[in-house]
Amino acid sequence: GQQLNQSPQSMFIQEGEDVSMNCTSSSIFNTWLWYKQDPGEGPVLLIALYKAGELTSNGRLTAQFGTTRKDSFLNISASIPSDVGIYFCAGSNTGNQFYFGTGTSLTVIP
Amino acid sequence: KAGVTQTPRYLIKTRGQQVTLSCSPISGHRSVSWYQQTPGQGLQFLFEYFSETQRNKGNFPGRFSGRQFSNSRSEMNVSTLELGDSALYLCASSPGTGRTEAFFGQGTRLTVV
Repeated sequence: GQQLNQSPQSMFIQEGEDVSMNCTSSSIFNTWLWYKQDPGEGPVLLIALYKAGELTSNGRLTAQFGTTRKDSFLNISASIPSDVGIYFCAGSNTGNQFYFGTGTSLTVIP
Repeated sequence: KAGVTQTPRYLIKTRGQQVTLSCSPISGHRSVSWYQQTPGQGLQFLFEYFSETQRNKGNFPGRFSGRQFSNSRSEMNVSTLELGDSALYLCASSPGTGRTEAFFGQGTRLTVV
């Protein structure tokens, strides 16, 4: 199945720093979702985007639906240790059939 | 509101056996999707059920099947297990209409030996 290109693959940052990651696809999507997954657990929905150019925030997290509808971006401001985990983007143009990114592993150094 | 419940959490099966996994969606949600997560292939869509009907299907062999009951609970079955079927199987619950958003359960970790 189709996989989205997500970058960077991993990040090691100092506590308090800002984080940026992005996701690109060869296909146009109508919906972009961003998730965080901890080891051995299911992904937790962070932000949902439904319109090209849309910018949505959830606390320290901000995500954008790219204007080409083929990309999306996630920013985390002032990172804290509990931000550690793997972040996934997911895109859909057909109901609830989502294609997932390869994941960005985030490590926050106190 | 209770979240998505998947049972069992862990399962060990032998090659050639079959297995059934269960998912109870969020109350009021009518869509249940199943995903397979492996280190090599990442998260891959298996199929989606809405109102007891399969609405979308991914590129998995016919050994993978599912169904949905009138109360929206869903089961996934894998027959003739192969070593490569070892994975975390995740169920996602969605309203099914209106805006698309998917809430995942904790998953079932299947190990095939």
